Amino acid sequence: DAKTTQPPSMDCAEGRAANLPCNHSTISGNEYVYWYRQIHSQGPQYIIHGLKNNETNEMASLIITEDRKSSTLILPHATLRDTAVYYCIVRALLVAGNMLTFGGGTRLMVKP
Amino acid sequence: DVKVTQSSRYLVKRTGEKVFLECVQDMDHENMFWYRQDPGLGLRLIYFSYDVKMKEKGDIPEGYSVSREKKERFSLILESASTNQTSMYLCASSSADRRMIYEQYFGPGTRLTVT
Repeated sequence: DAKTTQPPSMDCAEGRAANLPCNHSTISGNEYVYWYRQIHSQGPQYIIHGLKNNETNEMASLIITEDRKSSTLILPHATLRDTAVYYCIVRALLVAGNMLTFGGGTRLMVKP
Repeated sequence: DVKVTQSSRYLVKRTGEKVFLECVQDMDHENMFWYRQDPGLGLRLIYFSYDVKMKEKGDIPEGYSVSREKKERFSLILESASTNQTSMYLCASSSADRRMIYEQYFGPGTRLTVT
């Protein structure tokens, strides 16, 4: 599985866009990019995933570079409730017995 | 609204006790998972189940067993709790649709302390 690299922490002003980068330079052709977040004392929450096209849903946008070696999760108007650890995960569609494994993630602090 | 519930948020047990952690989902998902989360080690898969009465070992199954008698319920059993099983335990579920298998919905977690 491709490894991912994320900055350990980031700050963002409330109301501004939060742009969280993820490097996955060893990603292979059948691997998707998934984003989860974990708010303190809660279980992880699925945000979005993509293969090569940019994706958008009600929570966020995912921008994947053309060479697929990096991606950016965008929270368009960050709120205090978006303060969480954000995890970027790269996985093929189905790898038997090898499900989600979260690395260190990026601790996003949204400040008023 | 998607929901995964776990029987307890906090649990304190003694070494050697048998511990049951229950997880229920109301989304009619085929797949269910048990993870543990420890500082510095991230999330590690203990067991998963892709159907009633079916189970597969994850990365760290030693010291644990599971039971899935009904589709909506997946139980994690610590046969004889030990202090190194003190952790946050997270249950998750997902659809069997292979495009959605990593779109997992997590419960709030059970923080288990074994003394």
